[in-house]
Amino acid sequence: IAGITQAPTSQILAAGRRMTLRCTQDMRHNAMYWYRQDLGLGLRLIHYSNTAGTTGKGEVPDGYSVSRANTDDFPLTLASAVPSQTSVYFCASSQWTGNTIYFGEGSWLTVV
Amino acid sequence: AQKVTQAQTEISVVEKEDVTLDCVYETRDTTYYLFWYKQPPSGELVFLIRRNSFDEQNEISGRYSWNFQKSTSSFNFTITASQVVDSAVYFCALSRGGADGLTFGKGTHLIIQP
Repeated sequence: IAGITQAPTSQILAAGRRMTLRCTQDMRHNAMYWYRQDLGLGLRLIHYSNTAGTTGKGEVPDGYSVSRANTDDFPLTLASAVPSQTSVYFCASSQWTGNTIYFGEGSWLTVV
Repeated sequence: AQKVTQAQTEISVVEKEDVTLDCVYETRDTTYYLFWYKQPPSGELVFLIRRNSFDEQNEISGRYSWNFQKSTSSFNFTITASQVVDSAVYFCALSRGGADGLTFGKGTHLIIQP
């Protein structure tokens, strides 16, 4: 079934460690996004990419980096994890910007 | 700046009742898109509907209906004859069609009691 695959599904990480959340989509969508979801705050955009080779900052980009080497993959890296980055992370994609955005199943990250 | 307000943090109704989830948005753009997503207890985000700012027609899909009113900047969602399976968190979201994705409301937790 076509869609968005995120890995890992869940992870407990020691503070200060580096972590990469993986995201792959097989729908040939041009735009991809990373959101974090926190209780009481809803979903907030971390980074986005309009097309392969380009990325941009969202509402809460500090402490995160992304790359878009090809159409299908959009990894999110935490260079040095902190407890405030404990969250559920959703990768998403859309055919073009402005189209319907579809979400992966989420990655639960706990930083201790 | 864009903003989406879902004033109802939590709603609890008895099965078979009708329930309306409110969504009010703010934007300076003349072209924009409004969305509703459902997040069941399993955690995934399920797309329900997308409307553009030029189409104010109300929409009905089975027990679900949406009322879009530009005059009040609202995009409300009604579930008719609610069922236990409708229990979820529902998010309203706004996009201006640009690269920066969706602006979400904080969500309404809907509880349908049997």
